[in-house]
Amino acid sequence: AQSVTQLGSHVSVSEGALVLLRCNYSSSVPPYLFWYVQYPNQGLQLLLKYTSAATLVKGINGFEAEFKKSETSFHLTKPSAHMSDAAEYFCAVSDGGFTGGGNKLTFGTGTQLKVEL
Amino acid sequence: KAGVTQTPRYLIKTRGQQVTLSCSPISGHRSVSWYQQTPGQGLQFLFEYFSETQRNKGNFPGRFSGRQFSNSRSEMNVSTLELGDSALYLCASRFSTSGANVLTFGAGSRLTVL
Repeated sequence: AQSVTQLGSHVSVSEGALVLLRCNYSSSVPPYLFWYVQYPNQGLQLLLKYTSAATLVKGINGFEAEFKKSETSFHLTKPSAHMSDAAEYFCAVSDGGFTGGGNKLTFGTGTQLKVEL
Repeated sequence: KAGVTQTPRYLIKTRGQQVTLSCSPISGHRSVSWYQQTPGQGLQFLFEYFSETQRNKGNFPGRFSGRQFSNSRSEMNVSTLELGDSALYLCASRFSTSGANVLTFGAGSRLTVL
């Protein structure tokens, strides 16, 4: 079984400060990992994904994440927060469908990011 | 190209009624997945369809069902609605069922059960 833990349901940063959103995963097979963002009254938008290529993954809007197998982590960072980054962020893990059947994304509980002036 | 389209966006039902939600995937995507999002339970997987066949199913009661048509469009149905079914229902599509394929989500259908 796979699972994701996001530490901190609410994170508050000042505009221009570093954003760090934490994600730890558990998976019995090599995982695929994703970060999604959700703005109010909208669906989920992909920020970035890890699919076993480079461990440092760059995404949209200046976000990046580093896959650390030894720590089973996939933390999301952005050097300088902007007001428009305020949203809810979800980390998700997929087992890759190695069983040959369909597979699913298992999501963390989400982190609400607040950006203050 | 057009994204994932879900209809209706908002709907209100009463307990005991049934509801059908529709999802049109991105052109060329053959896999459609459904998720339920609630404040208490978060994002939970309902089911995934590929080539009109259900490939995976989450831990939901039989009142929740779905289907996929030959043009890849999908519908999900919830019968005998309960208050706890109030949620945002998200549909997502991808080219295949490979885990490496990114799920692209629609804006969701927000169901309120009174």
